[in-house]
Amino acid sequence: KQEVTQIPAALSVPEGENLVLNCSFTDSAIYNLQWFRQDPGKGLTSLLLIQSSQREQTSGRLNASLDKSSGRSTLYIAASQPGDSATYLCALLIQGAQKLVFGQGTRLTINP
Amino acid sequence: KAGVTQTPRYLIKTRGQQVTLSCSPISGHRSVSWYQQTPGQGLQFLFEYFSETQRNKGNFPGRFSGRQFSNSRSEMNVSTLELGDSALYLCASSKIRASGRIVDEQFFGPGTRLTVL
Repeated sequence: KQEVTQIPAALSVPEGENLVLNCSFTDSAIYNLQWFRQDPGKGLTSLLLIQSSQREQTSGRLNASLDKSSGRSTLYIAASQPGDSATYLCALLIQGAQKLVFGQGTRLTINP
Repeated sequence: KAGVTQTPRYLIKTRGQQVTLSCSPISGHRSVSWYQQTPGQGLQFLFEYFSETQRNKGNFPGRFSGRQFSNSRSEMNVSTLELGDSALYLCASSKIRASGRIVDEQFFGPGTRLTVL
């Protein structure tokens, strides 16, 4: 059974800092890994998708990496801004099951 | 291009009632999945539909059911509501490859907040 862990559960940093969010998983049999952002009470906004054959993807100030052999993904946020405050979730699309398995998320607060 | 839409956005029901939630996927997306989000359990997969067929179902009781229409719109139904069914219900849509597999980005709607009293 695929298990997804996100560390830390919460993170508070001052504006302008670069930061890394971590996601680890137990089974490397995945199609892809997706990072989402969720604002309080809202739906999920897709940030980045990494296919299982890829090592990283970049979008603006965001960079996500994937290392299937070690069961790890990181989301790097450069020059953080207060508007980046949200919960960040990683999710794996596992082979055969056609479903996403989510981590519990990291609640990020960027202080002005 | 319009995103995934879900209706209603908020619902308040009492125990024992039933509820129907609706999801309209992004145009051209033929797979629709449903997830339940609660503070204690996080995001959990309910079911996935493609071509009007349920292809996969999560570990939820039979009170949870769904269907998909020929235009890819989907509904989920919860019968005999319990307090523990209070949650944010999220719908996601995705393209389907020729293989029939979801391998691309999934897009989520804003969710339906269900409160059971």
